[in-house]
Amino acid sequence: QVQLVESGGGVVQPGRSLRLSCAASGYTFSTYGMHWVRQPPGKGLEWVALISDDGRKKYYADSVRGRFTISRDDSKNTVYLQMNSLRPEDRAVYYCARDSRKWALDYWGQGTLVTVSS
Amino acid sequence: QSALTQPASVSGSPGQSITISCTGTSSDVGAYNHVSWYQHYPGKAPKLMIFEVTNRPSGVPDRFSGSKSGNTASLTISGLRAEDEAAYYCTSYTTSGTWVFGGGAMLTVL
Repeated sequence: QVQLVESGGGVVQPGRSLRLSCAASGYTFSTYGMHWVRQPPGKGLEWVALISDDGRKKYYADSVRGRFTISRDDSKNTVYLQMNSLRPEDRAVYYCARDSRKWALDYWGQGTLVTVSS
Repeated sequence: QSALTQPASVSGSPGQSITISCTGTSSDVGAYNHVSWYQHYPGKAPKLMIFEVTNRPSGVPDRFSGSKSGNTASLTISGLRAEDEAAYYCTSYTTSGTWVFGGGAMLTVL
């Protein structure tokens, strides 16, 4: 069965960096694109980034473009989100999700919490 | 990248039907049939309920259905059950190659 497990969340000061990881299992990782989606406390879901199955195409929300970088390591079945210049408004639960290849996100992880605070 | 517009809350009694709307623009909802819907319980992973406007993944009850007209997509839940009480989010692929979510609608089963 498909499993996605995020890690790397924690408390970080404004302006600092953090790298999230999402380990995938139960399917052929290299043949699917991967998304990151976040949910600030008490708010709705916000799409963050997408990386294509071959890693060549990357797309970002305006709110994170230039600060966040999505990448993948198919040898480790892992997708990453490098978050630089973090702001208090980046505080959220961050989910990774698989792109279904049918214009949807079909499997999601349980999320990892990022808190940006001095 | 403005969020798609959903009602903040909807409610219905067991057995009734409710519809949640999701309004975007000609650059997202109206551009393609690439709208999907997710059910989200607090503290849990979101669950895909509808993809490509009208399609249900395996295992999703046929009480859940989707539709679209112009820039507005809709999720209908018929035969409401207590376990349907959750937040529901729509999302759409956009002409910029990005994705956008709706603000979410909290469903209360009375």
